[in-house]
Amino acid sequence: SQQGEEDPQALSIQEGENATMNCSYKTSINNLQWYRQNSGRGLVHLILIRSNEREKHSGRLRVTLDTSKKSSSLLITASRAADTASYFCATPRDSGYALNFGKGTSLLVTP
Amino acid sequence: EPEVTQTPSHQVTQMGQEVILRCVPISNHLYFYWYRQILGQKVEFLVSFYNNEISEKSEIFDDQFSVERPDGSNFTLKIRSTKLEDSAMYFCASTAGLAGYNEQFFGPGTRLTVL
Repeated sequence: SQQGEEDPQALSIQEGENATMNCSYKTSINNLQWYRQNSGRGLVHLILIRSNEREKHSGRLRVTLDTSKKSSSLLITASRAADTASYFCATPRDSGYALNFGKGTSLLVTP
Repeated sequence: EPEVTQTPSHQVTQMGQEVILRCVPISNHLYFYWYRQILGQKVEFLVSFYNNEISEKSEIFDDQFSVERPDGSNFTLKIRSTKLEDSAMYFCASTAGLAGYNEQFFGPGTRLTVL
């Protein structure tokens, strides 16, 4: 299976702090994606990093990919209460038609 | 900004009844998907649809499930005879290209409750 698995399962920080979430996967991939899900809502795409990229930035988000370790990390800098959500990594299914999602990291940012 | 829409937002049904969940993907997208998320669990892939046929389905997508694109805008998921364990959030998604290479756009979901 190429499913990613996030770590930690839950993370609680204060506003202004940085939050780091990790994702590990099992087989070779051509890209990895991160999504956010606010409680009871749909998933929102955050960032896609390709296998030939080691790091990618988008606003306060920084994603790294280490294909030799089959792992990725998502860093949210200067977190805000509005960042409270679940964060999922997703890897392509073998067919490439769809994605496999991990179990997610539940992030709580308190004021 | 274009978005994926889903109706209804919440559907309550009795076990054994048929339900149809509806989605309107983004208009110029070519690939369509259904995922589900049982409360507190991860998002699970059900089926992908391209060029008016199923391109891939998971082991969850058994004979009780079917999908259809009845016209140029709607994409539906039918569950023929619902079971208690079908209770979940069902998300529709669409992409311009293969999801494995492109951003997926998700709808807000339909919460299905089977009593």
